[in-house]
Amino acid sequence: SYVLTQPPSEAVAPGKTAAITCEGDNIGSKSVYWYQKKPRQPPVLIIFDSTDRASGIPERFSASNSANTATLTISWVEGGDEADYFCQVWVNSKTEPNWVFGGGTKLTVL
Amino acid sequence: QVTLKESGPTLVKPTQALTLTCTFSGFSLNTYTKGVAWIRQPPGKALEWLALIYWDDNKRYNPYLKSRLAISGDTSKNQVVLTMTNMDPVDTATYFCAHRLCSGGACHDAFDVWGQGIMVTVSS
Repeated sequence: SYVLTQPPSEAVAPGKTAAITCEGDNIGSKSVYWYQKKPRQPPVLIIFDSTDRASGIPERFSASNSANTATLTISWVEGGDEADYFCQVWVNSKTEPNWVFGGGTKLTVL
Repeated sequence: QVTLKESGPTLVKPTQALTLTCTFSGFSLNTYTKGVAWIRQPPGKALEWLALIYWDDNKRYNPYLKSRLAISGDTSKNQVVLTMTNMDPVDTATYFCAHRLCSGGACHDAFDVWGQGIMVTVSS
């Protein structure tokens, strides 16, 4: 089945830039979606179609997607950005899950 | 404004069936392109897609769980129901329902509005 691989954790100081990767076979040919998930809250869509910010998402959040890696970049990191981040793609298959999520990356703001 | 809310039991015994209801507002499930999915997250683990129902009653299931799942929609009540049979402790998770993303006249295979989730524990 199609697998999305994310680093389990990233740590960044306030004001710095965080880059969270999502690796998948030829992921550059797919639309990638990114979600932010805080404890006891539902996921929030932050990026759709690989690079477009969802409604109400600050410009500090940006993303790219090429070859085998999609990347979510958070500029000027704030304490409120501390959360788990999940990438997601859709797979056209009858034998595999159609909606696939990465394992998630826990972002810690130092 | 689209909202969704999950309801159902928070504790089920092993081998029992789980029935969850997603009650939504702000859209009609029989409107072209609409879809509602169920997604779960075991404690400390990743999100896992379970099932999705489209506006035309087309249904998709996670093939690894398909034999245990059934999703249905009731447009008159604005509800989507998920049934999962033969529950096991490994099915302990927070279960979310979520609205398919449609933006700028195009729909995407992602989810823009989620319910708060319901934590379901499977234990005897």
